[in-house]
Amino acid sequence: QKEVEQNSGPLSVPEGAIASLNCTYSDRGSQSFFWYRQYSGKSPELIMFIYSNGDKEDGRFTAQLNKASQYVSLLIRDSQPSDSATYLCARGQGGSEKLVFGKGTKLTVNP
Amino acid sequence: DADVTQTPRNRITKTGKRIMLECSQTKGHDRMYWYRQDPGLGLRLIYYSFDVKDINKGEISDGYSVSRQAQAKFSLSLESAIPNQTALYFCATSRTYNEQFFGPGTRLTVL
Repeated sequence: QKEVEQNSGPLSVPEGAIASLNCTYSDRGSQSFFWYRQYSGKSPELIMFIYSNGDKEDGRFTAQLNKASQYVSLLIRDSQPSDSATYLCARGQGGSEKLVFGKGTKLTVNP
Repeated sequence: DADVTQTPRNRITKTGKRIMLECSQTKGHDRMYWYRQDPGLGLRLIYYSFDVKDINKGEISDGYSVSRQAQAKFSLSLESAIPNQTALYFCATSRTYNEQFFGPGTRLTVL
């Protein structure tokens, strides 16, 4: 079982809607979680990280973490066509210098 | 100027050839990483280095070697390239284990 699981998509939402991206993980020792955005042909860029249970908001983005259920999600409010990209979920582990990435979910926001 | 640079950006080579991919950074980070990305498989860690004297194997190190020439330089070598090493290769750096910054990538094709 892959340590970090994401639906590959594609996820398609209309402009202005809320896009919901989900990620589950198997290692209960995971302590930190990251969402990267990757445009086609480009490198991943960090958009959010979260360490504690609950919600963390940054502009139109909200990361949600539930360690008991081992899932982390990313909500994008007021989705824009420029949000169309592949979103990578990653988890880190305390004391470890490594991140483990999911395969990514491709999001398309339709005008 | 970009904080993390990779050379070459594109490379086509033949089976059996030795090839080196180079990564340089001006972020002053101690930690550097090499990943490969394949369609449908996501990002996978090849090697990582915490400082000049520290090199560690990642998830998929077979067929690869690395050299950390300085804090700012981390090179990845394919000793004898094979077609299934055709992929997009990313270098990344971090100050801590949390936030990794990625270079622009090298697209490698092995014929």
